[in-house]
Amino acid sequence: SQTIHQWPATLVQPVGSPLSLECTVEGTSNPNLYWYRQAAGRGLQLLFYSVGIGQISSEVPQNLSASRPQDRQFILSSKKLLLSDSGFYLCAWSEGGAQYGYTFGSGTRLTVV
Amino acid sequence: DAKTTQPNSMESNEEEPVHLPCNHSTISGTDYIHWYRQLPSQGPEYVIHGLTSNVNNRMASLAIAEDRKSSTLILHRATLRDAAVYYCIPSGWNQGGKLIFGQGTELSVKP
Repeated sequence: SQTIHQWPATLVQPVGSPLSLECTVEGTSNPNLYWYRQAAGRGLQLLFYSVGIGQISSEVPQNLSASRPQDRQFILSSKKLLLSDSGFYLCAWSEGGAQYGYTFGSGTRLTVV
Repeated sequence: DAKTTQPNSMESNEEEPVHLPCNHSTISGTDYIHWYRQLPSQGPEYVIHGLTSNVNNRMASLAIAEDRKSSTLILHRATLRDAAVYYCIPSGWNQGGKLIFGQGTELSVKP
């Protein structure tokens, strides 16, 4: 069966520090991968999605970047965190296409101080 | 993108059925209607999705209007663990199969 792993679960980082969040999927190949962010008390915002290795699409301009170095690995990064980067970051995967559901990871709660 | 309208909040009593409505009057003919829910401090969880016909699974039922401009998620017997934010999301080729979340309906369940 397919599983999605996301870590760390919580993270407290100072302003200006770098960030690296990792997401891996097991039990499937060539998944579509997604990064979402949920600010406190708000809805989920799609940040990036990827349909294959090295293919990254950005949904909103921001201080973050994403990379997909391997088929089932998706990384969210920042060179210098801002206070506004605080939030709940969620990785998700799907088989691609609207006829398939998404499976979300358990999320990383990031607090920038 | 298809716009959705959902009530901000709803209340239900435990062990009673719950009908969560969603209007998506601008839905495209090829858009699937997805429903997800998010429990506090957790990631969203897939509930159900459909295209034209009503759908049932172990979690819920999805009733889709004949003109597809609205749908209703039905929880047959609400439990306290069903308290969550429920999102109705049309998704199809126009969105590249992506899920764009709105504000959803916050469901509270009273014992």
